[in-house]
Amino acid sequence: AQTVTQSQPEMSVQEAETVTLSCTYDTSESDYYLFWYKQPPSRQMILVIRQEAYKQQNATENRFSVNFQKAAKSFSLKISDSQLGDAAMYFCAYRILYNQGGKLIFGQGTELSVKP
Amino acid sequence: EAGVVQSPRYKIIEKKQPVAFWCNPISGHNTLYWYLQNLGQGPELLIRYENEEAVDDSQLPKDRFSAERLKGVDSTLKIQPAELGDSAVYLCASSFHIPGQVNTGELFFGEGSRLTVL
Repeated sequence: AQTVTQSQPEMSVQEAETVTLSCTYDTSESDYYLFWYKQPPSRQMILVIRQEAYKQQNATENRFSVNFQKAAKSFSLKISDSQLGDAAMYFCAYRILYNQGGKLIFGQGTELSVKP
Repeated sequence: EAGVVQSPRYKIIEKKQPVAFWCNPISGHNTLYWYLQNLGQGPELLIRYENEEAVDDSQLPKDRFSAERLKGVDSTLKIQPAELGDSAVYLCASSFHIPGQVNTGELFFGEGSRLTVL
C-alpha cells in the first residue's frame, strides 16, 4: 500500500527567507503524481505544485519549487522569499494513477509559521 | 466561476443525533469525493462518485455513514447516529475525469464542514 510521510509537524521561517518542507513516500508503482497542497485556516485545500513521476525536471511555480528524488522516494517543497500569507498547513500527497480512480493519499501535514 | 460549495460550515450536535452535510461540486465535474480530516491529520478518502455511482466506498463506515449523489450533481453525506469520534472536518472535492482514461484531473476542494459531537 502507498504511504506518505511528513516528518516535520511544525516549521518556522523568517519573512523573506527560504524554507524547505520534507516529504517521503512509499510505492511500488512507477507512474504516479505528487502534489503539495496548502490549507490555510479557512480549511480550503489549495494546490501549490504538481510533479509527474515520469518527468525528471523538478516542477516550479513562482516562489515554490520541488526537489523530486524518485529513487529515494523523496519530494520536498522549497518556498523562497517567504511571505506572511504563506503561513498555513502544507500537505504532501500522492496520486494513484492506475486503479482506485486517481485516489489521493495525504501525509500528516506540516504547519508553517512565518515570522515578520 | 463558483468553486465547490459545502454546507454547513460548522455543526455542533449531541452524540446519537443524526447530521447531514451537503456538497455542490464545480459545474461539469463528474467525479466527487468526500474526505474525512481529523484534527492535525491529512484528509482520508471516505467515498468517491463517478456521476451518480459510488465507485469507491471501501473506507466508509457503513454502519452509521451513508452518502448519495442523486442525478450525479449534488451530494449528501449523512451520519446516524453520530459518535464522539466523528468530530472532524468533512471535505468535499470534485474533478473531471474522462471515462476509460487515467484520472489525472485536478481536485478542487470545498472549505469543509466542521463537526463537533458533544
